[in-house]
Amino acid sequence: AQSVTQLGSHVSVSEGALVLPRCNYSSSVPPYLFWYVQYPNQGLQLLLKYTTGATLVKGINGFEAEFKKSETSFHLTKPSAHMSDAAEYFCAVRGRGKIIFGKGTRLHILP
Amino acid sequence: DVKVTQSSRYLVKRTGEKVFLECVQDMDHENMFWYRQDPGLGLRLIYFSYDVKMKEKGDIPEGYSVSREKKERFSLILESASTNQTSMYLCASSQITSTDTQYFGPGTRLTVL
Repeated sequence: AQSVTQLGSHVSVSEGALVLPRCNYSSSVPPYLFWYVQYPNQGLQLLLKYTTGATLVKGINGFEAEFKKSETSFHLTKPSAHMSDAAEYFCAVRGRGKIIFGKGTRLHILP
Repeated sequence: DVKVTQSSRYLVKRTGEKVFLECVQDMDHENMFWYRQDPGLGLRLIYFSYDVKMKEKGDIPEGYSVSREKKERFSLILESASTNQTSMYLCASSQITSTDTQYFGPGTRLTVL
């Protein structure tokens, strides 16, 4: 069975600091992995996804994530946080005909 | 521009009422999904549909049913609403494969009194 674990339900970083929401996955098949973002009062939108090929994936708004099979990880990064990055971030993995989401990490940006 | 719309942003119902949540997508997507989102629990899949008149149970189908009579429309039905169904409900759609991006509606915040 597939699953994802997100470490830290709430994370606070200062504006300009590195952003690093963490995600570890479990999958019995080659994983397809996703990061979604939910801004306040909105639905989710795709940030980036890994299917096959290059393990470093670039997404929207300056975010990127690296697939590390040896560590079963797919951590999200952004070198410098902006106030507009305050949102909830969800890691997800392909399941059978569906996507399985993690519990989310709420990112707070401190001025 | 892709679009998933949900019939209401906010809804207040009483215990025992029958509740309909509607979702419409304009992208000709085969797959449609209903999730509920609760603090600390993330998104939990209620039902999904991969074709008209087809449906599959997700992780938490109890107390819910769905209807998909047309490709673009996917309805979630609470036959007899209960207070523990107070939640945010999100609809999504995607193309046929599981690697395809899911597109989400803005959500319906349902309160059952």
